[in-house]
Amino acid sequence: GESVGLHLPTLSVQEGDNSIINCAYSNSASDYFIWYKQESGKGPQFIIDIRSNMDKRQGQRVTVLLNKTVKHLSLQIAATQPGDSAVYFCAENKAGNQFYFGTGTSLTVIP
Amino acid sequence: DAGVTQSPTHLIKTRGQQVTLRCSPKSGHDTVSWYQQALGQGPQFIFQYYEEEERQRGNFPDRFSGHQFPNYSSELNVNALLLGDSALYLCASSLGGGAADTQYFGPGTRLTVL
Repeated sequence: GESVGLHLPTLSVQEGDNSIINCAYSNSASDYFIWYKQESGKGPQFIIDIRSNMDKRQGQRVTVLLNKTVKHLSLQIAATQPGDSAVYFCAENKAGNQFYFGTGTSLTVIP
Repeated sequence: DAGVTQSPTHLIKTRGQQVTLRCSPKSGHDTVSWYQQALGQGPQFIFQYYEEEERQRGNFPDRFSGHQFPNYSSELNVNALLLGDSALYLCASSLGGGAADTQYFGPGTRLTVL
């Protein structure tokens, strides 16, 4: 079956540093990926997405990299701020309408 | 522009009871997906509704059923509640009937089964 896993369950960074959150996926047929941010007591919030025909996509302070060769996805957050503290999920879509989510990485920003 | 809304915010039920959760999609969206998120886990796909039909279903028993109305809002029904059904239930909406559409989530309904 499909699985979406995260390399590190927790990550702590100093305010102002860059953060990198990693995600491994197992299904080579997955064609669309989304990063979500979930704050305590709230629903997941869309951050950025990338399709399988791309290697990199940039947003405001965030960059997503996709390495299809090793089936790896990463989210880079520049100049991390206290408001970035949350759980981050990667989700993959395997040519259907279901999104498969990993367990999540908890990011803590240290002031 | 209203985002995805869900009601109620919190709900407490006892084993064996039935529950109905409600979702209104983001303005302009016509597709609703439901997810179950257990504590400390990622969301798990339950099913998706488009054009008032269940289009795709995850690995959940028939106790979980749903409905979509002509105005695109949706309900999730769970019968014969079990303790293990305690979770955050999330609704996500998207536009279009195609695959791989970006899904936007609501705040969720926290269901506690005693």
